[in-house]
Amino acid sequence: ILNVEQSPQSLHVQEGDSTNFTCSFPSSNFYALHWYRWETAKSPEALFVMTLNGDEKKKGRISATLNTKEGYSYLYIKGSQPEDSATYLCAFQGAQKLVFGQGTRLTINP
Amino acid sequence: NAGVTQTPKFQVLKTGQSMTLQCAQDMNHNSMYWYRQDPGMGLRLIYYSASEGTTDKGEVPNGYNVSRLNKREFSLRLESAAPSQTSVYFCASTPHPRRQETQYFGPGTRLLVL
Repeated sequence: ILNVEQSPQSLHVQEGDSTNFTCSFPSSNFYALHWYRWETAKSPEALFVMTLNGDEKKKGRISATLNTKEGYSYLYIKGSQPEDSATYLCAFQGAQKLVFGQGTRLTINP
Repeated sequence: NAGVTQTPKFQVLKTGQSMTLQCAQDMNHNSMYWYRQDPGMGLRLIYYSASEGTTDKGEVPNGYNVSRLNKREFSLRLESAAPSQTSVYFCASTPHPRRQETQYFGPGTRLLVL
């Protein structure tokens, strides 16, 4: 069974601060690493699909990096805003399926 | 485009009852997936259909059956519901199963089994 681990499980950050969290995944049979943003009572929304070792992707104040050789990805949020409060999911793609981590629940304190 | 739609939004069942969760997508995607979401456990794959006419088990298939009715629709059936199946169920789709493309999720079905 594939193991995808996210840390920390939850995080409280002051508005305006920057933060980051980690996704660890198997380094073999790698197709892609997906990041999703999931707000309460909504469905997950895609942030990034990362495919190459050393990939860096950016969307506004959110960015992500990928290291496939050691099996980890970081998600960074710069200058956190209250609307960034959500659960951030990563998912390892090995061929046809995604295996999700348990998520990092981020709360931004005003 | 509606994207991925799911019905019903919410359902209460008694233990032993059966029901079918419906999912449809209008994006002409080949692959469709059913997940369940439980507190502290992220999303776990129940079944998936890589293309029309095929279905395969995921991580937690016991107690469920699926039907890929056509390219648009993928249903999930609980034959005899159990309290352990209380969960939020999400359907997702993606254009091609082996390409590095995002999955698009429906709004979810919240199921309570008493």
